[in-house]
Amino acid sequence: GAGVSQSPSNKVTEKGKDVELRCDPISGHTALYWYRQRLGQGLEFLIYFQGNSAPDKSGLPSDRFSAERTGESVSTLTIQRTQQEDSAVYLCASSFRYDRTGETQYFGPGTRLLVL
Amino acid sequence: DQQVKQNSPSLSVQEGRISILNCDYTNSMFDYFLWYKKYPAEGPTFLISISSIKDKNEDGRFTVFLNKSAKHLSLHIVPSQPGDSAVYFCAASVRRTYKYIFGTGTRLKVLA
Repeated sequence: GAGVSQSPSNKVTEKGKDVELRCDPISGHTALYWYRQRLGQGLEFLIYFQGNSAPDKSGLPSDRFSAERTGESVSTLTIQRTQQEDSAVYLCASSFRYDRTGETQYFGPGTRLLVL
Repeated sequence: DQQVKQNSPSLSVQEGRISILNCDYTNSMFDYFLWYKKYPAEGPTFLISISSIKDKNEDGRFTVFLNKSAKHLSLHIVPSQPGDSAVYFCAASVRRTYKYIFGTGTRLKVLA
């Protein structure tokens, strides 16, 4: 079956522009996570959705970052007025429900964002 | 403040031998520890996990050991195979939150 998909796979933008990253989770998965991985660093938690509500937004690094989710499907992560330090791979993961064991969490391939 | 640390950025092992990947953590509120494997241009895939109330969990060639007193986690792969060559991340889930905290990864290369 289809896994988690993300688009675009690569995005190059100029400093100051807004970007929108998209995640399509596995059908039926209610839990959705966004992470980012900057060069040489681990995955950094950004936000968690349960359905279309976000009980934990604590990882969003600044108010330039926002995310929304439509029902239990597509999520978009928006970065306004991009800065060079926003350059990273942005990863989305979904699971059937919140699962602290991680066993049912499936990751997408990521969007590689480069801010010039 | 890196709460989950993987101090070895890379490791090379001969095929058939044991691979040992290490992870140290600082937060006693972690209640589950996980290992993920990542191939280039793909997202991480779940490998194995262990509850903080256990000290060992085994799944085929993969065994995870947890030493709570030392706040140390290790993943053993026996025997190592060339297809195991990937980046391995350890991660921890924080009790009473939805968060997972990841380490920086260790690149394993299994030599044929």
